[in-house]
Amino acid sequence: AQSVTQLDSHVSVSEGTPVLLRCNYSSSYSPSLFWYVQHPNKGLQLLLKYTSAATLVKGINGFEAEFKKSETSFHLTKPSAHMSDAAEYFCVVSDQDNDYKLSFGAGTTVTVRA
Amino acid sequence: DTGVSQNPRHKITKRGQNVTFRCDPISEHNRLYWYRQTLGQGPEFLTYFQNEAQLEKSRLLSDRFSAERPKGSFSTLEIQRTEQGDSAMYLCASSFRQGAEAFFGQGTRLTVV
Repeated sequence: AQSVTQLDSHVSVSEGTPVLLRCNYSSSYSPSLFWYVQHPNKGLQLLLKYTSAATLVKGINGFEAEFKKSETSFHLTKPSAHMSDAAEYFCVVSDQDNDYKLSFGAGTTVTVRA
Repeated sequence: DTGVSQNPRHKITKRGQNVTFRCDPISEHNRLYWYRQTLGQGPEFLTYFQNEAQLEKSRLLSDRFSAERPKGSFSTLEIQRTEQGDSAMYLCASSFRQGAEAFFGQGTRLTVV
């Protein structure tokens, strides 16, 4: 069975400093992994996806994530946080064992200090 | 391609009333998902479709909830005899195929008073 653990419920960073959001997954098969962002009162927007191609994935707005099979991790990073990055971030796993339904982590709230 | 569209965006209803939400997926997307999200939580799976076939309904979902996707196009989610615990954001998503990324609508926020 697939599952996702987001290791931090809340991350606070200063503008211009790096952001790291941690995600661990469990999956019996080669999973597809995604990061979504949700701004207040907005829908979920896809940031990036991993689907068994390159392990370092680049997404929108300067975000990237690295798939590490040995560590079953898919951490999201950004070198320099911007005020507009304040939002809720969700790590999502999808695999054959669960007929590719999306399983969400509990989310990480990012606040950015000026 | 205008993205996934959900209507209405907001719905306030009295306890015991029935409500129906609509989702229009991206055209040619054969997968359609319904999720529910409460404040401070991640989206929770409700049900999903492959074309017009409903593949699974969450075991956590009561019989008051039903969903359809006639002709494999738009989908409706109906909640009968609403309860205050049904208050949440209901999200619809579609994907081109299984395993592909899903695109979400803006959601329908339900408030049961």
